[in-house]
Amino acid sequence: KAGVTQTPRYLIKTRGQQVTLSCSPISGHRSVSWYQQTPGQGLQFLFEYFSETQRNKGNFPGRFSGRQFSNSRSEMNVSTLELGDSALYLCASMATQSYNEQFFGPGTRLTVL
Amino acid sequence: SQQGEEDPQALSIQEGENATMNCSYKTSINNLQWYRQNSGRGLVHLILIRSNEREKHSGRLRVTLDTSKKSSSLLITASRAADTASYFCATDAGLEKLVFGQGTRLTINP
Repeated sequence: KAGVTQTPRYLIKTRGQQVTLSCSPISGHRSVSWYQQTPGQGLQFLFEYFSETQRNKGNFPGRFSGRQFSNSRSEMNVSTLELGDSALYLCASMATQSYNEQFFGPGTRLTVL
Repeated sequence: SQQGEEDPQALSIQEGENATMNCSYKTSINNLQWYRQNSGRGLVHLILIRSNEREKHSGRLRVTLDTSKKSSSLLITASRAADTASYFCATDAGLEKLVFGQGTRLTINP
């Protein structure tokens, strides 16, 4: 099976812009989670989607949003970018009833200038 | 917020030696998982141990879990240069999300 894929791999934006990141889960996986990784805060949970519904959300401002499509692919959007949004954004997919064992993509490195 | 605290933050050993990393957490968990990350890339799932298990092995990896002390350890035996990476513990306390520790940066010297 192909692994989790994320596009783009690298992105440079300026403050105030918005950005959309994409994630394709492992075939058959219906759960997709997003995490933000920064040197200061480490890995932090953003949100999780299952069958197009957001089941859980982390403590991030409303500028961070996401969605999931019927084919389980997911996108996350960050509006009005701030310098502090520079991070590695990781997507993970999970099979149903798998003890929450998550498989991660390579990440999207976002740099906000 | 981080649930897990990992110790040490950094570890440097010679190739062939064993490496031990520890993780402590705060709340009751369903399971605990260990992941490896190579230099800013995605995380690779290493091993999952459920709350009713005490020890688990996978190749050169050995994980222990002590729920009474809310702690876990990851042992990598006979280390290799390719084991150089950051290692994270992640706890599953329900709600379909993982809470990660800050990680241990392991360096294997040839």
